[in-house]
Amino acid sequence: EVQLVQSGAEVKKPGESLKISCKGSGYIFSFYWIAWVRQMPGKGLEWMGIIFAGDSDTRYSPSFRGQVTISADKSISTAYLQWSSLKASDTAMYYCARHDTRGYFDYWGQGTLVTVSS
Amino acid sequence: EIVLTQSPATLSLSPGERATLSCGASQSVSSSYLAWYQQKPGLAPRLLIYDASSRATGIPDRFSGSGSGTDFTLTISRLEPEDFAVYYCQQYGSSYTFGQGTKLELK
Repeated sequence: EVQLVQSGAEVKKPGESLKISCKGSGYIFSFYWIAWVRQMPGKGLEWMGIIFAGDSDTRYSPSFRGQVTISADKSISTAYLQWSSLKASDTAMYYCARHDTRGYFDYWGQGTLVTVSS
Repeated sequence: EIVLTQSPATLSLSPGERATLSCGASQSVSSSYLAWYQQKPGLAPRLLIYDASSRATGIPDRFSGSGSGTDFTLTISRLEPEDFAVYYCQQYGSSYTFGQGTKLELK
């Protein structure tokens, strides 16, 4: 069974750094891309970027390039999303999803809620 | 960037009725690379339809997708109580974008 399990909720202050994770199982992690999707409170879905787990080739949405860093460690089947300096506007639910070879997102993690507040 | 516009924003129906949700693209979606997702409160999105009309694994046949080019439709033939949720379309033919969502609510 394909599963993506994300790290737990985080509460941070503005300016702090953060790295959240997404661990895949039930499939060959290095054969697929992993996508990250943001959902701000009460809002819709926004694609942030994708990473190919096999070689860490990464593509970013123009809206998020320079704001976050996506990485992966295929040896432990885990992808990451990180911020170097959080802002209150980064408060959101963040989902990882497996990217099928054609491009749709077929399996999703349960989400990680990030709250940034002073 | 391809912009997806979903309509209506909210659809109020009763169980047993037919639901028709629309997704319009600002330019043609190549190879009908369009997906539909369902999201219930507090849960992650779930893939329903990919390639405009193919049902994902385990999705009941009351869900169907159609369309090509710039106009796509998700149809739920007979609504069940568990179908009331928010639905998003997504194109993956040119980068990735999501529509703003249609909320299907109980009338």
